[in-house]
Amino acid sequence: DSGVTQTPKHLITATGQRVTLRCSPRSGDLSVYWYQQSLDQGLQFLIQYYNGEERAKGNILERFSAQQFPDLHSELNLSSLELGDSALYFCASSPRVGTYEQYFGPGTRLTVT
Amino acid sequence: DQQVKQNSPSLSVQEGRISILNCDYTNSMFDYFLWYKKYPAEGPTFLISISSIKDKNEDGRFTVFLNKSAKHLSLHIVPSQPGDSAVYFCAASLSYFGNEKLTFGTGTRLTIIP
Repeated sequence: DSGVTQTPKHLITATGQRVTLRCSPRSGDLSVYWYQQSLDQGLQFLIQYYNGEERAKGNILERFSAQQFPDLHSELNLSSLELGDSALYFCASSPRVGTYEQYFGPGTRLTVT
Repeated sequence: DQQVKQNSPSLSVQEGRISILNCDYTNSMFDYFLWYKKYPAEGPTFLISISSIKDKNEDGRFTVFLNKSAKHLSLHIVPSQPGDSAVYFCAASLSYFGNEKLTFGTGTRLTIIP
């Protein structure tokens, strides 16, 4: 158990809908990262937050957005969902800037039908 | 553009023998490398890392080797155990870039044969 929690574990929704994925980092970790893993692909970096502020952005679609709240939990919002958005979404956390070892949650499996 | 490549999708090794997983990268600016292990229905678990100023890092049964001139790293597991059966991802980071995002390879599925 990494100490990172993600809810829900599974999500099935229809095209065009909007969903919110939630992540609670390890106790004391200030950085939160979101990654997407599509079928047979490696993990693709989406976005990083550090202590409430956006720190880095990857190839995140404009339909996707994220935020980190004062209690350090984070939410990833996916809107106007398409079939191609079906994937595993992982959240990871690390304690501070300059730390490269990230600790991953169990992921949320999103299925868009 | 796949900057981190794991060219072997799968590998089978006899229990007790050495497992060698390989990873190549194209961006010479990467300066920190990590290996993660992933079981089904779980998130990746950090295994071992290496900074570009080193060429070897060891932690128990796991050793990572870095060859900067060849832009190649490898993970050695000795001896291999059935619990090592999992998908292994290598990842790389650009520490000077001001963030800690990781670029992952596509993974190698390791199967340890009892």
